[in-house]
Amino acid sequence: GQQLNQSPQSMFIQEGEDVSMNCTSSSIFNTWLWYKQDPGEGPVLLIALYKAGELTSNGRLTAQFGTTRKDSFLNISASIPSDVGIYFCAGVYGQNFVFGPGTRLSVLP
Amino acid sequence: NAGVTQTPKFQVLKTGQSMTLQCAQDMNHEYMSWYRQDPGMGLRLIHYSVGAGITDQGEVPNGYNVSRSTTEDFPLRLLSAAPSQTSVYFCASRKNYNEQFFGPGTRLTVL
Repeated sequence: GQQLNQSPQSMFIQEGEDVSMNCTSSSIFNTWLWYKQDPGEGPVLLIALYKAGELTSNGRLTAQFGTTRKDSFLNISASIPSDVGIYFCAGVYGQNFVFGPGTRLSVLP
Repeated sequence: NAGVTQTPKFQVLKTGQSMTLQCAQDMNHEYMSWYRQDPGMGLRLIHYSVGAGITDQGEVPNGYNVSRSTTEDFPLRLLSAAPSQTSVYFCASRKNYNEQFFGPGTRLTVL
């Protein structure tokens, strides 16, 4: 079946640093979604991207829909302790949602 | 709106026992889904529903049953629990094709 790869798998950063992570696939998607999951909670939708090349921001978060439609990128600027969690990407094609394995972010004070 | 709610939050079963995980949404969403989340893996689709009375299998349906008698509720039944079903289960709902909202999850351990 379809699979998504996320990199890095995990990252440790200092508070205040910027973060970049990406999601890649061998398949084309019509929509890319980025979710954040806090420990013991369900994933929360952060950003939705609907068009190739689209760049969308949500506060300190910025995500891009790759021009090939096979990848997407998420950047977090000026990280803070509450950014800690697992970030998931999801590619959507028709009614099919495919989720990546997640990038685990740790923020050191 | 409460969004998507799930009960129980935690559950421990013995092998062979059956149980039902409850899911409800108050957003009048047509689409509802059940996923399981295992370490190092993405969310995997178990079953889904496109409306009351309509359900279908996802990627990993074996050992699970669902029904959808109302728009609001979408329970997941484990028929005979096995250790391989130890996981975190998430219910999700959506109005359109794209923005899917998740419940807080049920953490299930099968001994």
